[in-house]
Amino acid sequence: GENVEQHPSTLSVQEGDSAVIKCTYSDSASNYFPWYKQELGKRPQLIIDIRSNVGEKKDQRIAVTLNKTAKHFSLHITETQPEDSAVYFCAASRSDKLIFGTGTRLQVFP
Amino acid sequence: NAGVTQTPKFRVLKTGQSMTLLCAQDMNHEYMYWYRQDPGMGLRLIHYSVGEGTTAKGEVPDGYNVSRLKKQNFLLGLESAAPSQTSVYFCASSYGRHNEKLFFGSGTQLSVL
Repeated sequence: GENVEQHPSTLSVQEGDSAVIKCTYSDSASNYFPWYKQELGKRPQLIIDIRSNVGEKKDQRIAVTLNKTAKHFSLHITETQPEDSAVYFCAASRSDKLIFGTGTRLQVFP
Repeated sequence: NAGVTQTPKFRVLKTGQSMTLLCAQDMNHEYMYWYRQDPGMGLRLIHYSVGEGTTAKGEVPDGYNVSRLKKQNFLLGLESAAPSQTSVYFCASSYGRHNEKLFFGSGTQLSVL
């Protein structure tokens, strides 16, 4: 079955800097890769997703890149702000199950 | 619209007790899911449903049962609670394609003593 590894587990950046979170997956048949943000004590919320037929997708300050050959994908956050502080989860899916990574706690210091 | 609503928000059980968690969505979504979230382990799928009257096992189904008698409701049951089931439980629903663009409920904190 699919296995998703996520790194780093914690990440601290200064406000205004960029943050990068990386995930690798094991099943080459996976074709959908979402990222969820979970603020402290809140529900996870989808922030961006990408399909396997696309190499990169951007939405304002966030972007996701996908390397199918290497089976890894990354979340990039530019010009970080304190409200970006949260736990971020990557996930990978074929048609049957969505498997989540273990999460990255991002702290943005003013 | 309320979105995805979970009840209760908190519950404490004794080992061996049973309970049912209710998830209700008002978005007419076809797909519904139950996840558990444990520290350092991300979100793990317990059971899911691809439509009214259907259910299927996820990654960690043992000790849980589910039912989807109505499209808008997805119930998660624990027949005989164990301390290992202490966790935060999230319900989610999605439209369009299975496993895509999940909307999560606010979660249920369950402690089994």
